[in-house]
Amino acid sequence: DTAVSQTPKYLVTQMGNDKSIKCEQNLGHDTMYWYKQDSKKFLKIMFSYNNKELIINETVPNRFSPKSPDKAHLNLHINSLELGDSAVYFCASSQVYRGQETQYFGPGTRLLVL
Amino acid sequence: QQQVKQSPQSLIVQKGGISIINCAYENTAFDYFPWYQQFPGKGPALLIAIRPDVSEKKEGRFTISFNKSAKQFSLHIMDSQPGDSATYFCAASKETSGSRLTFGEGTQLTVNP
Repeated sequence: DTAVSQTPKYLVTQMGNDKSIKCEQNLGHDTMYWYKQDSKKFLKIMFSYNNKELIINETVPNRFSPKSPDKAHLNLHINSLELGDSAVYFCASSQVYRGQETQYFGPGTRLLVL
Repeated sequence: QQQVKQSPQSLIVQKGGISIINCAYENTAFDYFPWYQQFPGKGPALLIAIRPDVSEKKEGRFTISFNKSAKQFSLHIMDSQPGDSATYFCAASKETSGSRLTFGEGTQLTVNP
């Protein structure tokens, strides 16, 4: 069983379009994240939710809007897509045990904006 | 502000050699230091982790060395294999901030046959 799943795996779209990426985790974790990984492999945190509540909102254009319908799902909607949005987007969920967080990443969604 | 600095950005090693990746941190309150491994086309996954009460942790061919006074920690991969080719991320967290991980910039390791 896949612990953290994302759909779609690949997304090719035109500039100006609106698109959504879905994420689901079946690990029972309370915290979920969205990361953007650019071509240089740098992992940049975008958002974090804990029990459906937004707890981290890094400097991200407001064209990006996360939505958490329940604690097992964290979706990412992107409006008016731009060329610079092309990247791999990773969803992750995490658990903390004795002060140690382990993050479990999904397989990534490869977004290409033309 | 980058709180965890990682080097080198890329590393090429011959099969059987030792791969060494270094990280330095600024926040002395960090108390947990994991390494994540990311294979091409996959998401990162926890590889090995250490707490500052020990100076070294070994799991198979992977060893973390930790120097608290220098605020540095490193990953050593002994007898490197082509299958180790991946991107490696160091990270750090502190329990008092909810334990959220701060990641380094990543190192792309290539092990040549």
